[in-house]
Amino acid sequence: GENVEQHPSTLSVQEGDSAVIKCTYSDSASNYFPWYKQELGKGPQLIIDIRSNVGEKKDQRIAVTLNKTAKHFSLHITETQPEDSAVYFCAASTDRDDKIIFGKGTRLHILP
Amino acid sequence: EPEVTQTPSHQVTQMGQEVILRCVPISNHLYFYWYRQILGQKVEFLVSFYNNEISEKSEIFDDQFSVERPDGSNFTLKIRSTKLEDSAMYFCASSWTRDRAPYEQYFGPGTRLTVT
Repeated sequence: GENVEQHPSTLSVQEGDSAVIKCTYSDSASNYFPWYKQELGKGPQLIIDIRSNVGEKKDQRIAVTLNKTAKHFSLHITETQPEDSAVYFCAASTDRDDKIIFGKGTRLHILP
Repeated sequence: EPEVTQTPSHQVTQMGQEVILRCVPISNHLYFYWYRQILGQKVEFLVSFYNNEISEKSEIFDDQFSVERPDGSNFTLKIRSTKLEDSAMYFCASSWTRDRAPYEQYFGPGTRLTVT
């Protein structure tokens, strides 16, 4: 079955700098890659997703890239702000499955 | 903005007791899911539910677990005889369509289950 690896597990970034979180997946049939943000005491919130027919997608300060050949995908947050501090999860899914397979999460700290 | 809600936020139960976790999915959604997250570990899929039946389940979802949509709004997860290892955060999620599968799943805030 699918396995999603995510790194780093913890990331500290100065406010205003960029943050990058990287994930790999194992199942070449995976074609949907959502990213979730989880704040303390809350459930995972979908912040952006990408499908395998595109290589990059951007939404304001957040961008995701996908390299299908290498089975890599990444989340880029630019001009980081204190409210970006949270745990971020990458995930993968396929047409044949209902389930989403999650990475272990990255705890992002934005330093003042 | 519509959101998935879950009750209770925290449930403490003794080993061997039955628990029911409740969820109200987003109103026009058709697909419902339960996931769990043991402290410090990945979010894991348990079960999906569509058209009043289980669509897919993981190996975690054994005979101790069941799901039900008792009315037009609630979606429940029942654990018949809880074990210590059932202690986790349980998330309900919903999505509205599979027309353009895969599809966005929206998560509730979770119920923290503590089995003592």
